[in-house]
Amino acid sequence: SAVISQKPSRDICQRGTSLTIQCQVDSQVTMMFWYRQQPGQSLTLIATANQGSEATYESGFVIDKFPISRPNLTFSTLTVSNMSPEDSSIYLCSARGPGNTDTQYFGPGTRLTVL
Amino acid sequence: SQQGEEDPQALSIQEGENATMNCSYKTSINNLQWYRQNSGRGLVHLILIRSNEREKHSGRLRVTLDTSKKSSSLLITASRAADTASYFCATAFGGAGGTSYGKLTFGQGTILTVHP
Repeated sequence: SAVISQKPSRDICQRGTSLTIQCQVDSQVTMMFWYRQQPGQSLTLIATANQGSEATYESGFVIDKFPISRPNLTFSTLTVSNMSPEDSSIYLCSARGPGNTDTQYFGPGTRLTVL
Repeated sequence: SQQGEEDPQALSIQEGENATMNCSYKTSINNLQWYRQNSGRGLVHLILIRSNEREKHSGRLRVTLDTSKKSSSLLITASRAADTASYFCATAFGGAGGTSYGKLTFGQGTILTVHP
């Protein structure tokens, strides 16, 4: 299994600012993803973080708002840009792997509050 | 949309009783995964069942999959207060070589409360 850590675990930010969330996996994985969980809701996929190329975004999410990097097979970042109170959510990183497994593991999440 | 639905939305039982949660989805899948989430924290992977499997067990957990009805169920036997959490099903589409494309579509979840 993969062990995933995220930093920060929580943050309170002002409207209009940006926050970068880091995701570290303890082993090389084939695929990494970013999800959002709004208060009291289920998880929604933001994008697939592609190693060495631009992320693949789901409908309703754009690169200007949620730029993502994945410089190698164990690390990814998600930036929430120009934040508004509607961005207050839990942001979760996940990874499929290591190896040829379909099991997807999740990080502990980053709880973001925007004032 | 592939998004699934879960029922019940909330389930309250006594310790020692069994808890059953159901998940339905709309289109063909490669696999279905069940997760537990405690108090808005990260998700803990419970079990993965593939589209060609009908039943899987893991400890006190039993998962069934009926692809003809596009539904799955999670049974927790002899529940404990520590099982109190939200439970989510998530489905994955098929990809090349029998593996999935990876990205998951989540159901709305069932909030389980187990009273001591």
